[in-house]
Amino acid sequence: ETGVTQSPTHLIKTRGQQVTLRCSSQSGHNTVSWYQQALGQGPQFIFQYYREEENGRGNFPPRFSGLQFPNYSSELNVNALELDDSALYLCASRSELAGPYEQYFGPGTRLTVT
Amino acid sequence: ILNVEQSPQSLHVQEGDSTNFTCSFPSSNFYALHWYRWETAKSPEALFVMTLNGDEKKKGRISATLNTKEGYSYLYIKGSQPEDSATYLCAFSRAGGTSYGKLTFGQGTILTVHP
Repeated sequence: ETGVTQSPTHLIKTRGQQVTLRCSSQSGHNTVSWYQQALGQGPQFIFQYYREEENGRGNFPPRFSGLQFPNYSSELNVNALELDDSALYLCASRSELAGPYEQYFGPGTRLTVT
Repeated sequence: ILNVEQSPQSLHVQEGDSTNFTCSFPSSNFYALHWYRWETAKSPEALFVMTLNGDEKKKGRISATLNTKEGYSYLYIKGSQPEDSATYLCAFSRAGGTSYGKLTFGQGTILTVHP
């Protein structure tokens, strides 16, 4: 158990719709990262939030956005869904005090876009 | 090498066999190399984090080595058991600014251990 939870487990959406995925970090973790894993690939970094602000972004368009709340839970929002957005979305949390080494992952949300 | 590459993509072994996987990564601006074990429908579980050239880590029957100068890491499993069946991911992070928090993953090695 990593102490990181994600909801929902599975989600089916239609192309063009919007979706919100949620992550609850391990207690005391103030940094959260989101990753997308498409079929047959390794997870790809979307962005990172530290103290409620984005402070690092991968090669994803602006329709991927996020929020981090004071209790260190976070959301990933994707607008104007495309078929290629179908993937497993992982969040990972860590404590800035512990340094960058220990990142704890949730089990992921499986998003299917039809 | 610009990306993280893992080999083989999949591996089938018999219970009791020893096995090893390779992870290749960019050797410039290296910060850390992570190994994760990921079972289906569960969270990826951190196995090792290595930062220094020549690092060797061990956890039970699993061990890993790191060569930052040539950009590779090996993961070894001694006496494989069916419960070792999982996807093994390696991930690299770069030095500089907030980059160390960003993990660049390989595509993983899927290990199946047959009883």
